[in-house]
Amino acid sequence: GENVEQHPSTLSVQEGDSAVIKCTYSDSASNYFPWYKQELGKRPQLIIDIRSNVGEKKDQRIAVTLNKTAKHFSLHITETQPEDSAVYFCAASRNNAGNMLTFGGGTRLMVKP
Amino acid sequence: DADVTQTPRNRITKTGKRIMLECSQTKGHDRMYWYRQDPGLGLRLIYYSFDVKDINKGEISDGYSVSRQAQAKFSLSLESAIPNQTALYFCATSDPREGRDGYTFGSGTRLTVV
Repeated sequence: GENVEQHPSTLSVQEGDSAVIKCTYSDSASNYFPWYKQELGKRPQLIIDIRSNVGEKKDQRIAVTLNKTAKHFSLHITETQPEDSAVYFCAASRNNAGNMLTFGGGTRLMVKP
Repeated sequence: DADVTQTPRNRITKTGKRIMLECSQTKGHDRMYWYRQDPGLGLRLIYYSFDVKDINKGEISDGYSVSRQAQAKFSLSLESAIPNQTALYFCATSDPREGRDGYTFGSGTRLTVV
């Protein structure tokens, strides 16, 4: 089955700096890669996703890049703000698995004011 | 939003007790999932169901069972709870139709087994 590894497990940045979280996956048939943000005490919520036919996707201060050859994808947050502090999860799935997701271990991002 | 509702929100139970966690959804999704969250281990799949007649084991199903009572309801049971089942449990739903990937999570159930 699919295995998703996520690094780093914790990340501390100064407000205004950029943050990058990286994930690798094992199943070359995976073609959908979402990112979830989980604020303290709350449920994970989808913030951005990318499909394998696209190399990069942006939404305001967040972007995701995908390298299918190397089987890794990354989340980039620019101009970080204290409200970006949360746990971030990457995930991967194959369409023929019915979009069942395999998650990475999570990254705790702390943005210091 | 209350489109995926989990009950209870918090529960403390004793070792050996049977406990049921419930999940109901108003999104009309056929697919439902139970995940367990432990610090540093991310979200691990316990069971999933693609429709009312379909139940499948996930990565860590030992010690758990499920029931899909209706399209909208998916319950997780611990037949004899043990302390290492202390965790945060999430139910999720999804719609596999093209362009609608991604989960909707419930608010979670924090379970403590003492």
